[in-house]
This record gives sequence, structure tokens and C-alpha cells, in this order.
Amino acid sequence: KQEVTQIPAALSVPEGENLVLNCSFTDSAIYNLQWFRQDPGKGLTSLLLIQSSQREQTSGRLNASLDKSSGRSTLYIAASQPGDSATYLCAVIRGNQGGKLIFGQGTELSVKP
Amino acid sequence: DAGVIQSPRHEVTEMGQEVTLRCKPISGHNSLFWYRQTMMRGLELLIYFNNNVPIDDSGMPEDRFSAKMPNASFSTLKIQPSEPRDSAVYFCASSVVRDRVQYFGPGTRLTVT
Repeated sequence: KQEVTQIPAALSVPEGENLVLNCSFTDSAIYNLQWFRQDPGKGLTSLLLIQSSQREQTSGRLNASLDKSSGRSTLYIAASQPGDSATYLCAVIRGNQGGKLIFGQGTELSVKP
Repeated sequence: DAGVIQSPRHEVTEMGQEVTLRCKPISGHNSLFWYRQTMMRGLELLIYFNNNVPIDDSGMPEDRFSAKMPNASFSTLKIQPSEPRDSAVYFCASSVVRDRVQYFGPGTRLTVT
């Protein structure tokens, strides 16, 4: 059974810091891994999708890496801003389960001005 | 595009009543997903459809839950009878194909008293 774990559960940093969020998964037979952002009381917004054959994806100040063999992904946020405050979730799709996303519990990020 | 549309945004009902949640996916998307989010269990996939056909309903908690997708632009999730433990935020998401980026609606916050 695929399990996804995110560490830390909560993180508070001062504005301008670079930071890393971690995601680990137990079954390396994934099709892709996705990072989402969720603002309080809102739905999820897709940030980055990494295919199983890729090592990383970048979008603006965000960079996500994937190491299938070790079952890990990281989301790097450069020069953090108060507007980055939100909960960040990672999710994986197993290779043989179509669109079924398995989510981690998320990391709640707070960026202080 | 207006994105994924869900209604109602908030629903408060009494135990034993029937509840119907509605979703309109993004036009042109062929896959539709229903998720439930609680503090205890996080985000869980309940069911997903591909080309209006249910593919995986293994996440549907019990027979009180049912979902339909009569056409490409509309889906419903019904709970009958509702129970207090069904209280959660229910999200609908859609994607072009089932293993690609999923776009989430704003969610329906259900409270069963």
C-alpha cells in the first residue's frame, strides 16, 4: 500500500529565506508526483508535476526534484515571500492506478514579514 | 474558463437527511474525481470517472455514498442517509486525462448535525 509522508508538518520562516519541503513515498512504482498548494478555505492549486522519468521541474521560484529509487521528492522555494504562506501537499499516482492520487498530510508554511 | 464549479459551497443538514453535491468539470476534460478532506484522514479519493464511466470507486466509504456522471459536464455525489461522521470538505477535480494535472474546485463544506 502506497503511503506518502511529508516532513515537517509545519514550518515558519522569515521573509527572504530559501526553504525545502520534503515528501517521501513507500512504493517507488509511481507514474508521476505532483505538488499542490492549498490556501485556507480554498481548493488545491497545482504547482508542479514531475513524471517518473524526470528528475526535476522548475516554475519561477519553485523547483521540485524527484528521486524514485529513494522514494523522495523535495520542493525548493527560493526567496520566500509572505504570499507563499499556505499548506503544501505532495501526491503520487501509482504506475497501474490511473488517476488515483495518494496525498501526504501536507506542510503548513508560514512566511513572516 | 471558469474552472471546476461546485455547488453548494456550504451545506448544513441534520443526520438522516439526503445530501447531494454537484460538480461541473472544466470543458474538454475527460476525467473527474471526487475527494474528501478531513483533519484526521487528510485528502482521500472517493471515486473517479473517465469519459463518464466510473473507474475506481474503492474509496467510497459505504453504500450510503453514490456518485453519478450522466454527461461530460455534470456529476453528483449523494449521501443518503447522512451521518455526523460525513462532515468534511468534499472536492471535485478534473483533468484532461486521468494521469495528468488535476484542477480542483473550491470544495463543498458539509456539516451534518
